Amino acid sequence: DTGVSQNPRHKITKRGQNVTFRCDPISEHNRLYWYRQTLGQGPEFLTYFQNEAQLEKSRLLSDRFSAERPKGSFSTLEIQRTEQGDSAMYLCASSPQQGRNEKLFFGSGTQLSVL
Amino acid sequence: AQSVTQLGSHVSVSEGALVLLRCNYSSSVPPYLFWYVQYPNQGLQLLLKYTSAATLVKGINGFEAEFKKSETSFHLTKPSAHMSDAAEYFCAVTPASGGSYIPTFGRGTSLIVHP
Repeated sequence: DTGVSQNPRHKITKRGQNVTFRCDPISEHNRLYWYRQTLGQGPEFLTYFQNEAQLEKSRLLSDRFSAERPKGSFSTLEIQRTEQGDSAMYLCASSPQQGRNEKLFFGSGTQLSVL
Repeated sequence: AQSVTQLGSHVSVSEGALVLLRCNYSSSVPPYLFWYVQYPNQGLQLLLKYTSAATLVKGINGFEAEFKKSETSFHLTKPSAHMSDAAEYFCAVTPASGGSYIPTFGRGTSLIVHP
């Protein structure tokens, strides 16, 4: 169990640029979640996958955001035409089971700063 | 939709004093409830969870929480605070029924421990 890995740890970009983050979940974990966290707030749900299928997306999520999980392993989150309001910590989490009471294993996050 | 409210964005205690962090949920059906802790520059990790087996739940590092249906609460306590407990604490909820399996997080409470 090497934990959930996220890369890069920090990303600074200019407004209008595209950025992509990667998440490697714990091996054999079926579920993968993306959350966003801003200063003073709790994690806000973005999207989640069951294996390679994207099962749910936040209704608040802009069309500029897209996520993939090819082959049900690692996942990428892309933000197109970044805006200053996209500046946040992007968290990835995974869980092994399909139950409602399973804990999430979180990565350390990717801190995005949009200038 | 499920939600949790954490009263107090900051709680300050002296080392050795009782820690009490408050969490209330909004749901007519008791959900699954979780407390996560986030240390600086680390990902969130599970402290404990309520799954209806027992109303008093014991977690790691001496923390415990009591589920009170009549008060729709799941407050986190620790009898004696330690300097190493200083962190951000998040209450989270997953619906016990319905289509969504997505955990929803509260805004978090920052625990400050004074020597």
